[in-house]
Amino acid sequence: SQQGEEDPQALSIQEGENATMNCSYKTSINNLQWYRQNSGRGLVHLILIRSNEREKHSGRLRVTLDTSKKSSSLLITASRAADTASYFCATDALTDSWGKLQFGAGTQVVVTP
Amino acid sequence: DGGITQSPKYLFRKEGQNVTLSCEQNLNHDAMYWYRQDPGQGLRLIYYSQIVNDFQKGDIAEGYSVSREKKESFPLTVTSAQKNPTAFYLCASSLRQGGETQYFGPGTRLLVL
Repeated sequence: SQQGEEDPQALSIQEGENATMNCSYKTSINNLQWYRQNSGRGLVHLILIRSNEREKHSGRLRVTLDTSKKSSSLLITASRAADTASYFCATDALTDSWGKLQFGAGTQVVVTP
Repeated sequence: DGGITQSPKYLFRKEGQNVTLSCEQNLNHDAMYWYRQDPGQGLRLIYYSQIVNDFQKGDIAEGYSVSREKKESFPLTVTSAQKNPTAFYLCASSLRQGGETQYFGPGTRLLVL
């Protein structure tokens, strides 16, 4: 079952613009993670944010978490053509004692020069 | 050079045939996973292993089998019972628990002849 749902499904922007995508989830979590997948490749971990954190930064990436709304957002600032990829959120549900990640369907981002 | 390797990159299956996908990691991780990805969708968990000689069914285990005889290796067999095996298969590992950061291999694309 998919815990996280990303929005929008697809996003097209020009280089230099910011890209924002959102993730909503259904049950309480231990942490939420964002991954990137280039076409035909494996996933690459971007950021992990824990349930007691509200914001995290990594380079041009900014992630926020609002546990009251059960939602997270990923902001990519000053986008580059190399940021073209699919972005997935994954949640570690509080109810799962061992912790299996549940992935959403992803947001496909296209950055044009 | 640490990481996860998967082979082959492409695999073709004839009807009624079992095929095995290889996954090897040299990260000294305890936990390993197999996911299936269909076009435009997120990842669905097939099997996972928390430790050597132990594995558990994920959300879509029917038609698949695994083994975990060595810490480094977690092969997946797609059996003839899996009627719709065409998909992109991703192997991942994490240090201990499933809710931690997962590291992914490059994937194997399975096609049916």
